[in-house]
Amino acid sequence: KAGVTQTPRYLIKTRGQQVTLSCSPISGHRSVSWYQQTPGQGLQFLFEYFSETQRNKGNFPGRFSGRQFSNSRSEMNVSTLELGDSALYLCASSLGLANNEQYFGPGTRLTVT
Amino acid sequence: AQRVTQPEKLLSVFKGAPVELKCNYSYSGSPELFWYVQYSRQRLQLLLRHISRESIKGFTADLNKGETSFHLKKPFAQEEDSAMYYCALGSGGGGADGLTFGKGTHLIIQP
Repeated sequence: KAGVTQTPRYLIKTRGQQVTLSCSPISGHRSVSWYQQTPGQGLQFLFEYFSETQRNKGNFPGRFSGRQFSNSRSEMNVSTLELGDSALYLCASSLGLANNEQYFGPGTRLTVT
Repeated sequence: AQRVTQPEKLLSVFKGAPVELKCNYSYSGSPELFWYVQYSRQRLQLLLRHISRESIKGFTADLNKGETSFHLKKPFAQEEDSAMYYCALGSGGGGADGLTFGKGTHLIIQP
């Protein structure tokens, strides 16, 4: 099975711009979760989608949003970028059932200047 | 609130020596604990989970609810074990509540 893929792998944006990141889950997986990884805060949960519905959201401002399509692919969007949004954004997929393992993608490295 | 604590940022041991990476958690419900590993230039991958109770690459971890710990152990370290190790806590909701990660421990195995 192909693993979780994320595009683009690297991105440089300017403060105030917006950005969209994409994630393709493992075939058959219906749940996609997003995480932000920074040196200071570590890995933090952003939100999770299952069957096109957001099931839960972490403690991030409304500038962070996402969506999931009928084929389970997911996108996350960050509007009005701030310098502090520079991070590695990881996507993870799972079957979405109780006690399922999450499989991570390679991440998208976002740099905000 | 859920919390995972990995007290050691860096742990250096010699090849062949025992390894123990500590993880303590705080959670009021029934926890689901995982260890993830990230080798150099590779993606984060699941090493083991407490409900499977299996040994992966010689590593084991036992959930101690009394001490709220899930320490990762290996009796004889190998150089290829050098990596970042993250302890993670889930609420068993099938990913809906997300995983709470510790800050990670960088394990270095010296020859």
